[in-house]
Amino acid sequence: GAVVSQHPSRVICKSGTSVKIECRSLDFQATTMFWYRQFPKQSLMLMATSNEGSKATYEQGVEKDKFLINHASLTLSTLTVTSAHPEDSSFYICSARDLAPRGYEQYFGPGTRLTVT
Amino acid sequence: AQKITQTQPGMFVQEKEAVTLDCTYDTSDQSYGLFWYKQPSSGEMIFLIYQGSYDEQNATEGRYSLNFQKARKSANLVISASQLGDSAMYFCAMREGPNFGNEKLTFGTGTRLTIIP
Repeated sequence: GAVVSQHPSRVICKSGTSVKIECRSLDFQATTMFWYRQFPKQSLMLMATSNEGSKATYEQGVEKDKFLINHASLTLSTLTVTSAHPEDSSFYICSARDLAPRGYEQYFGPGTRLTVT
Repeated sequence: AQKITQTQPGMFVQEKEAVTLDCTYDTSDQSYGLFWYKQPSSGEMIFLIYQGSYDEQNATEGRYSLNFQKARKSANLVISASQLGDSAMYFCAMREGPNFGNEKLTFGTGTRLTIIP
């Protein structure tokens, strides 16, 4: 199956700093990528839909100025958590759909665990 | 109302037994898709099985089968001959609308399955 990578896998940062998380589709092109957040022992909550070459679509309640999304190419989307605070500590997961969908599947990255101290 | 409901927060099953994980959904769309994902402790989301709303046959993938009861809006996952490696969190998810490639998934709260040797 298709592969989606995320970098970094883990990051610890100090409160007030910004952190960038990359999501790459390694063997396919993706016009659309999705960013999810998962708190411990909870489900995945969609944060935003990232569209190549256009602005991201944010879910209700997600601050677009705090979670900056850039989908600069068909294989790369980035999520920047600006002025991070401890409550932003979470597991962030991206997913992508193939540009020429073979079917229905969303391919998930391995996730990034963010800890803000 | 919850779009995806998983009523079993945790289950314990003896190795080699079959297990059914419950999922009910709510949508007014005629075209939709239902997914099951497995999330081990490492965090990655592993796709297990998919059922389209117009698929007449229940989906099967190896030891996994999906018991799709459209009138009841139910999409239960059945794992036959459970193995120790099946211990993980299991999420049911839904795509609402036709499969055009940019549709988001809505996840249930998950069921933690523990296989007992």
